[in-house]
Formats: sequence, structure tokens, C-alpha cells
Amino acid sequence: DQQVKQNSPSLSVQEGRISILNCDYTNSMFDYFLWYKKYPAEGPTFLISISSIKDKNEDGRFTVFLNKSAKHLSLHIVPSQPGDSAVYFCAARILTGGGNKLTFGTGTQLKVEL
Amino acid sequence: EAGVTQSPTHLIKTRGQQATLRCSPISGHTSVYWYQQALGLGLQFLLWYDEGEERNRGNFPPRFSGRQFPNYSSELNVNALELEDSALYLCASSPGAGTYNEQFFGPGTRLTVL
Repeated sequence: DQQVKQNSPSLSVQEGRISILNCDYTNSMFDYFLWYKKYPAEGPTFLISISSIKDKNEDGRFTVFLNKSAKHLSLHIVPSQPGDSAVYFCAARILTGGGNKLTFGTGTQLKVEL
Repeated sequence: EAGVTQSPTHLIKTRGQQATLRCSPISGHTSVYWYQQALGLGLQFLLWYDEGEERNRGNFPPRFSGRQFPNYSSELNVNALELEDSALYLCASSPGAGTYNEQFFGPGTRLTVL
């Protein structure tokens, strides 16, 4: 049972344009969401997070939006750069009583083209 | 500061054998997490250790086990290997068991079961 879903396995965007990566979840107990970026042969690195009490969090070129009623979050990268090409994982956790476990989606491969 | 390290990078075993994977957390981190990334799936939570004790366990059979040593490094053991155990095994560490603590990932061990 995939509780966190990333339905687009890949996305191709031109340099300078906006990249929008989407994530859906089914477990209403999730109250903290994270995005990780992964380059080949490296472990995932934390990018940005959002608590369920917010609907938006911004950090430089990266913004995460959360729509709790739709159980949907998205990561916006503006402007996209070639160095952003990587696999992006959406993850969720239950802050209280969740045992620190992160539940990940299957990832979206982003390719930023020149 | 050194990041999370894992050894070996690659491991090839045959069905029925045992595999041992090792993880050294970031200096000062007391929590260690293990995740499995099988082909086509997101990272699946395996185990969480903190201060030498198992704190949480994912939906994996008992032949997946581990331990955490006094220096906070950790070992993941997989007994009676099956073909479907072939995956990338990622270790992460965090500075304690706090719910907001970010998890920092190592590069992973690629286990292949023939």
C-alpha cells in the first residue's frame, strides 16, 4: 500500500523555466512533509519541508505548497537550473507517535535541459 | 565534517546466504535509520535505532535484523537471502530521537542476490 505517491516518474524542463513536482498522500495522520533530492551514487539530501499547519514554505528557488484537503503537495523550482537534474523524493511523517519513520514516494526524475 | 558512511558499496550474495551491511553515523548523531530501495519502489523504512536500542521497525520479516553499537555505528543483517532482497540499502542518521530532527543519508550499499 503506497501511502505516498509520485505519479510522474520523470519530468523534463528547460533551463530558466519552472519545474513543478507533484506528490499525493493517502494517510491523513501525516503532519510533516519533506522533499529530498538524490544524485546518482549519493544518498538523498534534504531540500525543504513543510508542517501541516502551513500551506506554503519557501527557501530561495524552492517552494513547497501543501493542500491538506486534497492530500496533495507540490515542489516548485524557479528558475530551474541544469544542476537541479536529479531524482526528487517526496516524504511524509507522523510527528507524534510516528516512530521517526519517513514514508517515501517512488521519486520523480527531473531533467533540466539547456 | 564527515557524512554518513556505509560499507561495502556493493555486495553480491547467493540465495540463502547472510549479508551484513555497516553504517557509521555523523559524529554526534545517536539515531540511525535503515531504508530499503528496491527497483521501482520508494525508500521503505526498515529499522530505527537510538542510543543502542531498537525504537521502531518497518513491515519486514524477522530475517532483517540489526544492532547499534556503543559508538552509535550500526549493522544491518539479512539472513536467508531471497532474490527480492536485491536492493539499495540506505542508512541515515540524526542528532537524537527528536521528531523534527532531519535525517542525513549515506550513499547506500547495493546488495545483489543471485
